[in-house]
Amino acid sequence: EDQVTQSPEALRLQEGESSSLNCSYTVSGLRGLFWYRQDPGKGPEFLFTLYSAGEEKEKERLKATLTKKESFLHITAPKPEDSATYLCAVQAWSGNTPLVFGKGTRLSVIA
Amino acid sequence: SQTIHQWPATLVQPVGSPLSLECTVEGTSNPNLYWYRQAAGRGLQLLFYSVGIGQISSEVPQNLSASRPQDRQFILSSKKLLLSDSGFYLCAWSRGVQDEQYFGPGTRLTVT
Repeated sequence: EDQVTQSPEALRLQEGESSSLNCSYTVSGLRGLFWYRQDPGKGPEFLFTLYSAGEEKEKERLKATLTKKESFLHITAPKPEDSATYLCAVQAWSGNTPLVFGKGTRLSVIA
Repeated sequence: SQTIHQWPATLVQPVGSPLSLECTVEGTSNPNLYWYRQAAGRGLQLLFYSVGIGQISSEVPQNLSASRPQDRQFILSSKKLLLSDSGFYLCAWSRGVQDEQYFGPGTRLTVT
């Protein structure tokens, strides 16, 4: 069974304090790994898709990386507006099964 | 560009009452459509997905059902709500089942 585990569950950072969020996965052949941002009371917003180990993608202060067992979302010099829950999801090659989501990391950036 | 709509935004319903949540997508044709429920501390739970009109796959047993009467319309229903049906319901679409999904704004359902 495909599984996604995100850590930590919650993270509190000072503005400008860089850190990383982790997404560990178990999947029978990874087709893609997806990162989303979710603000309170809103639907998740798509950020990145990663397809193969070693791949990296960046968007503003966010950089996502991928290995064969996990993905990291690096946040450089975060600002309060980066506060949100970050969700990770995986897609397997087998069959037509949709995405499997982790429970997310709730990030708070304090000014 | 594509847009996804959900309504209502919030809903308070008594136990045993029926439910109908609607989702529509604009700007694309033949999308794959999904219904999720998000409860506190449990993450996103996939309820149903559809790859075409009249084609519905159910992921978990429950007292909910889904229908897709038109290409870009997805409806989540229940004949009798339970307290455990409370949660944040999200509709999403994708071009293919294995592509990134784009989510709607969600419906907050409280069953009292």
